[in-house]
Formats: sequence, structure tokens, C-alpha cells
Amino acid sequence: DTAVSQTPKYLVTQMGNDKSIKCEQNLGHDTMYWYKQDSKKFLKIMFSYNNKELIINETVPNRFSPKSPDKAHLNLHINSLELGDSAVYFCASSQGTGRGNEQFFGPGTRLTVL
Amino acid sequence: DQQVKQNSPSLSVQEGRISILNCDYTNSMFDYFLWYKKYPAEGPTFLISISSIKDKNEDGRFTVFLNKSAKHLSLHIVPSQPGDSAVYFCAASGLGNQFYFGTGTSLTVIP
Repeated sequence: DTAVSQTPKYLVTQMGNDKSIKCEQNLGHDTMYWYKQDSKKFLKIMFSYNNKELIINETVPNRFSPKSPDKAHLNLHINSLELGDSAVYFCASSQGTGRGNEQFFGPGTRLTVL
Repeated sequence: DQQVKQNSPSLSVQEGRISILNCDYTNSMFDYFLWYKKYPAEGPTFLISISSIKDKNEDGRFTVFLNKSAKHLSLHIVPSQPGDSAVYFCAASGLGNQFYFGTGTSLTVIP
């Protein structure tokens, strides 16, 4: 039974489209994250939610909007997709925040913008 | 601005020998460090961590060493096994709840 799941696993779309990536965790964790891994393999945090409240919002274009309907879900909506948005997006969760709270990652969603 | 760096993108080691993966950081406020392992088409999985109050933490074949003065940590895997072939990421955090990741080192263990 997958702990952190993401859908879809692959997403190919045209520039200018709007798309969503869904994430669900069944670990009972309070905190969820979105990371972006770019072509240089740099894994960088985008957002973090704790109990459905936004606690980390890195410098990310406002075309990216996270939505957390409940503690177990953190979805990522991207408007007006651009070529530079092509990357692998990882969702993660942890029991709490900070040290001692290791993050559990989903399998990733490979987004390709044509 | 990359605060955690893994300068070796790849490493090859013979089965049974020691694998040493290195990581450097620039932020002196970091006080908690982790290593993650990632197989292709999967997300990273937590491997081992170390707090800055320690200089070594061991878990089976995996040992992490921390040198605070040099802002350097390393992961030792001994003996290395083919199943250890993966990408290894180090990560660091400080007072906040944000983890900063390196770009990973791809380890290949040759049978």
C-alpha cells in the first residue's frame, strides 16, 4: 500500500495549458511538501503545508498554486505552462516539521512541456 | 544559491569495497543532516541522519560522519553491494523546517 502517491506519473502537455498534479499520503502525517527537480538534478522545495496551512512558499511563479483540501492531500495546479516548467515534481510528507522529521517522498511526476 | 553541494556526480566501486560519498554545505546554521537514496523512477527514501551534536552515526553498513569545522559530511557504505547502486542525496536543515538538498551522487557498485 503506497505511502505517498502522486498522479499522474507522466504528464506531457503544450505550452500555455493548465494542469494539476495530485498527491495523497496515507501515513497520517501533518506536513506535506512539493519539490521540483530540474534538469541539473537540483531538488528544490517549492511549498510546504502543515495541517492544511501554508508554511513554506519559496520564490515560485504565482502560476503555481498548491491546494490542500485536507491533511492527506496536497495538489499542485500550474497555470499557463512554460517550457521551463519541464521537470520532475516530487510530493513528500513528514510527521512534523524540522529536524527529526524525515520526509517520505512520492515516486515523482515527470512533466514535459512542449 | 546552492547551500548544499555534492561535487561528485558519480562514483563506481567494486562490490565488497567501501563507498564514500561526500557532501559540503555553506550555511553554518545547519545543524541536522540527512542522506536519502533514490532508485530510478522512484522518490528519494530516507537512509540515515545526524545531528550536529554528534560527529558520527552508524546504522548497519551505513555510517555518516560530520566535520562541522569543515562543513563537510560523508556517507560510508561498507561493504558495498550491487543493490546499493542508486543516487544518493544529502540534505541539511537549520532553525527553520526547510531541508536543502544537494544534486546527488550516482553510485554504481560493480559485481
